[in-house]
This record gives sequence, C-alpha cells and structure tokens, in this order.
Amino acid sequence: NAGVTQTPKFQVLKTGQSMTLQCAQDMNHEYMSWYRQDPGMGLRLIHYSVGAGITDQGEVPNGYNVSRSTTEDFPLRLLSAAPSQTSVYFCASSYADGVKANSPLHFGNGTRLTVT
Amino acid sequence: KQEVTQIPAALSVPEGENLVLNCSFTDSAIYNLQWFRQDPGKGLTSLLLIQSSQREQTSGRLNASLDKSSGRSTLYIAASQPGDSATYLCAVPLGNDYKLSFGAGTTVTVRA
Repeated sequence: NAGVTQTPKFQVLKTGQSMTLQCAQDMNHEYMSWYRQDPGMGLRLIHYSVGAGITDQGEVPNGYNVSRSTTEDFPLRLLSAAPSQTSVYFCASSYADGVKANSPLHFGNGTRLTVT
Repeated sequence: KQEVTQIPAALSVPEGENLVLNCSFTDSAIYNLQWFRQDPGKGLTSLLLIQSSQREQTSGRLNASLDKSSGRSTLYIAASQPGDSATYLCAVPLGNDYKLSFGAGTTVTVRA
C-alpha cells in the first residue's frame, strides 16, 4: 500500500520562484489537507479539501494555492516563494467524516523546502 | 481557539522505564483526540485515537487516557525500548470540522 505519497522530498527555491508540491493518496479518502511544520510550533493547517472540487483555507493560507480536480491528488502551489515559507510540508488524508467517524489521519513523509 | 500544549518538550529515560507523556487542550468540546509518532525526517504515524465517549484506548504497550472535563490526555508507554525514541504529538479537532490542532510534541530518547 502506497498510502500518501509526496514529491519532491527536498526542494531549494530562490525568493520569487514558484513551484508545486505534489500529494497523492490511493486510499480513496475524501478529505485531504496540507500542513507546515516549523520548529517549536507544531503543525499548522494551510489548506484542506473535503472532496473533489471543494477546497477551503486553514490557519496559514497566505502565499499558497490549492485545487482538487480528482479524489487522489491535492497539489499545493507556492505562488512567489519567500524565506518565511522555508519549512517542512506534510500532506494528510482521511475519510471526510473523519471527526465524527473517528477516522485517523494518514500522513505523507513530507517535503523539505528551503527558500533562499 | 483551541490551544494544545505538551509538556515536557523533551524527555530522556533509561531503557525499561515507563514513559508518561502529557497533552492538555483548552476547549473540552472535542470529538476525539489522536496521538501520533514522528521519527526524524519522516511523517506522522497515528498511534491511538480516543473517542470523546471513551476514557482510554490501548494498543500493545501503549495506553492513552482522556479526561475531557479537565482538558487532559496522557500517553503511557510501558517498558520503554530504544526503538520508542521519537517525537510524540497529540492533536484534537477544531470544532466540528476535521481540522486538527496539534501540540508541539514531546521528543523522547530512550537510552540503552
């Protein structure tokens, strides 16, 4: 089982460049989300989606865009990279009624992004 | 706003000792609480999910308790092993939406 797959694993960008972080899951999960993890701050939600064609903002959405054209894929786009976006990015998925259905969240292994 | 706190930030114990990890949250109106493990350079792995109607959940050497009224959860790891060395995070949903609020984690080192 592949689970949640993130690419690339590492990326270095210069300020102002754009890029897309890829996330794919093969568990037919309706819910997908992006988090960033910074030292001492835990994980913070960037964007999330409860199904194809539906996306919404999390705690820290500025500077990021998402779209959900299929159930399997949920890419995260950095429009104009800034040093403040240096972080580790995690994609996660679950069943859409995860809260009420008590379904655990499944994470990818992360993308380590450095913006110089 | 839900705030999740984990104390201590780091813990070092000799092999065989029992581990006690704490998690506190400010809003007790939660559906569930999850405990995750994170190894260096890796993603998070769900260890236990405790439903709001439960007081504890067990899996092997792991036992998690939940006290909603006091806003606390405790993860117990019995007879610790060097392989238990990792960062442990707890998370609770923000309201009715499946948006999790995470603690910053407790980094555990088990010395052989």
